[in-house]
Amino acid sequence: EPEVTQTPSHQVTQMGQEVILRCVPISNHLYFYWYRQILGQKVEFLVSFYNNEISEKSEIFDDQFSVERPDGSNFTLKIRSTKLEDSAMYFCASSETGAEEAFFGQGTRLTVV
Amino acid sequence: GENVGLHLPTLSVQEGDNSIINCAYSNSASDYFIWYKQESGKGPQFIIDIRSNMDKRQGQRVTVLLNKTVKHLSLQIAATQPGDSAVYFCAFTGGYNKLIFGAGTRLAVHP
Repeated sequence: EPEVTQTPSHQVTQMGQEVILRCVPISNHLYFYWYRQILGQKVEFLVSFYNNEISEKSEIFDDQFSVERPDGSNFTLKIRSTKLEDSAMYFCASSETGAEEAFFGQGTRLTVV
Repeated sequence: GENVGLHLPTLSVQEGDNSIINCAYSNSASDYFIWYKQESGKGPQFIIDIRSNMDKRQGQRVTVLLNKTVKHLSLQIAATQPGDSAVYFCAFTGGYNKLIFGAGTRLAVHP
């Protein structure tokens, strides 16, 4: 069964450093998403991406965040200058038709120290 | 505004019993609702969905009920098994292209 894969599974970074979280969406999917989940809390929408541009973003997704689809298979989330409060699980999702049928990856646990 | 909430943060059931997980939402414009299961260390996994033109939908051992009058969604799991132990989230599509998740209910199944 096709799946969304994310790397790394766990990333530890120093506050102020840049991190790039990587995702390989399901191959025929056209819609891509990043969500995050702070420990013990609900999953929060960050950004959606379609046709090589952001289609929607939340207020969490400020100027320190960016997304890119550098080639035909990867979808990345960059956090430019990490803060302690960026520590969370970050989930990538992809869909063929839109948010309604999104498949989630296993997540990257980001720990900012 | 957009808000999805859950009545019970933790639900403990005996193996073989039926489980009911509840969710309330506030956006009356929502037209699509989903239940996700999240096991420890994993991403949300789709369980079942329902559109606002329906009030009930059944899957394998799971049933979703939607009451639009009171903006309430529930997930029923029949004959709950230890493998059902997880956190369950309700969600709905909000805005153009995103999901809004509820706070989650932890289901603990005891033998």
